Amino acid sequence: QLQVQESGPGLVKPPETLSLTCTVSGVSITSRGHFWGWFRQPPGRGLEWIGSIYYGETSYYNPPLKSRVTISVDTSKNEFSLQLRSVTAADTAVYYCARQGGGSGWYLSHPIASWGQGILVTVSS
Amino acid sequence: SYMLTQPLSVSVAPGNTARITCDGNNIGMKSVHWYQQKPGQAPVLVVYDDSDRPSGIPERFSGSNSGNTATLTISRVEAGDEADYYCHVWDSSSDHRLVFGGGTKVIVL
Repeated sequence: QLQVQESGPGLVKPPETLSLTCTVSGVSITSRGHFWGWFRQPPGRGLEWIGSIYYGETSYYNPPLKSRVTISVDTSKNEFSLQLRSVTAADTAVYYCARQGGGSGWYLSHPIASWGQGILVTVSS
Repeated sequence: SYMLTQPLSVSVAPGNTARITCDGNNIGMKSVHWYQQKPGQAPVLVVYDDSDRPSGIPERFSGSNSGNTATLTISRVEAGDEADYYCHVWDSSSDHRLVFGGGTKVIVL
């Protein structure tokens, strides 16, 4: 049974770097056919895609965040990570890691079938 | 950039049918996925690829997609269906972006 779990600091000072890790259990992160992604939701607002990575190689980022974001994979630990640089209060949100899968067509078009529980990250000095 | 528009809220009496729309340019050409999110919880996939249901999702949840509008339909609404609902597509036309609608609050009267 696939499980994904976010971890990291709940408070980050501006303009530091927000760093989160997603631990994957129940399946290898190198299994083909799935994108692994990061999403966020500011308090009281909707969902936003941050970026996704495939097989530890190809990555895609949301253009408004692209200059500040890096997503990487550590296959030895079966986990993937998010780094968001130069944060401001506007980056305060619940951050989710997730796996896409189970749809038809290209993998990035697949639904987000497995979500972590989310982690609240507050950006404040 | 591609945008998805959803109504802010939909109100429905128990036992009736709720229809949540998701408007986007030629959305009928894309695969649309729908999520349910209750307060303090992660989203849950309820419909994928326009009209398919994951295992464990009741048949009361159904979807359709044509032209410029995708629709999530909840039949025989129950109190437990009160939640926020989001549509989602992959936009291949600009930087391979994943796009979400703004979300619709379903209020069970």
